Amino acid sequence: QLQLQESGPGLVKPSETLSLTCTVSGVSISSSIYYWGWLRQPPGRGLEWIGTIYYSGSTYYNPSLKSRVTISVDTSKNQFSLELNSVTAADTAVYFCARSYAWFDPWGQGTLVTVSS
Amino acid sequence: QSALTQPRSVSGSPGQSVTISCTGTSSDVGAYNYVSWYQQHPGKAPKLMIYDVSKRPSGVPDRFSGSKSGNTASLTISGLQAEDEADYYCCLYTGTYTVFGGGTKLTVL
Repeated sequence: QLQLQESGPGLVKPSETLSLTCTVSGVSISSSIYYWGWLRQPPGRGLEWIGTIYYSGSTYYNPSLKSRVTISVDTSKNQFSLELNSVTAADTAVYFCARSYAWFDPWGQGTLVTVSS
Repeated sequence: QSALTQPRSVSGSPGQSVTISCTGTSSDVGAYNYVSWYQQHPGKAPKLMIYDVSKRPSGVPDRFSGSKSGNTASLTISGLQAEDEADYYCCLYTGTYTVFGGGTKLTVL
């Protein structure tokens, strides 16, 4: 059964870099036709797509975040990662990882990242 | 890439049907058939309910159906049940970017 689990610091200081990892279990990232995505949801607000990566390393980013985002994949660990630099309070959100095609399924449980000094 | 437009809230009584709309433009919703819908209960991760406009993943009740007409996609829930009370989000994939609707809160009266 495919499962995804986000991990990383729950508190990041303003202007620093947010780093999260998504560990995939139940299927090999590199043997799949699927993409892998990061999404987020600020408290009390809607969903926002951050970006998507294929196991080969091809990436697609939300234009509004593209200048600050890097998504990478580590096939040896069956993981993919998110880095968001120069964070502000507006980046406080629950961050989700998910398997992606033209849709997202399944999703990880999400991890709350708070940007605060 | 502007967010898709959804009503903030809809409501219905048990057993009734409700429809949630998701409106875009001829350049996004009107041009692509990759509309998906997600159900999210408080404190939980979203769950895929409909993909490719009208397809249901395994395990999703057939009370949930999707459609599209012109620049508007719709999610219809028939035979409303108490557990359907949740937030619902539409989503569009264009091949190079993905955009969500603002979300709709469904209240089962």
